[in-house]
Amino acid sequence: DAMVIQNPRYQVTQFGKPVTLSCSQTLNHNVMYWYQQKSSQAPKLLFHYYDKDFNNEADTPDNFQSRRPNTSFCFLDIRSPGLGDAAMYLCATSRMGIGAGELFFGEGSRLTVL
Amino acid sequence: GQNIDQPTEMTATEGAIVQINCTYQTSGFNGLFWYQQHAGEAPTFLSYNVLDGLEEKGRFSSFLSRSKGYSYLLLKELQMKDSASYLCVSSNDYKLSFGAGTTVTVRA
Repeated sequence: DAMVIQNPRYQVTQFGKPVTLSCSQTLNHNVMYWYQQKSSQAPKLLFHYYDKDFNNEADTPDNFQSRRPNTSFCFLDIRSPGLGDAAMYLCATSRMGIGAGELFFGEGSRLTVL
Repeated sequence: GQNIDQPTEMTATEGAIVQINCTYQTSGFNGLFWYQQHAGEAPTFLSYNVLDGLEEKGRFSSFLSRSKGYSYLLLKELQMKDSASYLCVSSNDYKLSFGAGTTVTVRA
């Protein structure tokens, strides 16, 4: 059974039209992450939550926001998607603190911007 | 971020052995992960090394040398399903740095 579930798997949006991607986990892990991965590139960390503490990477554009209403769910909001935001968005969790344990990834949400 | 260097591509024949090398920054090093990522899918965890030496898990082994800032992933008895990207991920000061991945193509 999937432990980290992302929805939708595929999202097509128009330039500037807001998008929300969701992630849920059944692992009860403290830490949840959002990564952006473009073709043939390394995943790039956008932000992470340690419990309710939100940690934004310095180079994450303001266009990207996140919410974690409870332990199980985390959302990625892209307020005004541009063509450069087309990518795979990966949600991940870890039981231990960031960088200290294995990451469990969801299957990803592939965003296309027209 | 921390620099991770790994080859871009490798090709090998079914049944052969492939060694994927990775170098990373040693400053603040906490541990090194290897992940496998099939095209269009999410990465899946393969191994985690903290101490020097070789960790073996079936057909896959991972080696670490902390003093040299060097790791390798060894894939033995290659199968077609091993065709994927292999990501080297370093934890330094408890921040993760991902390599761009090594795409391994297994040919019959």
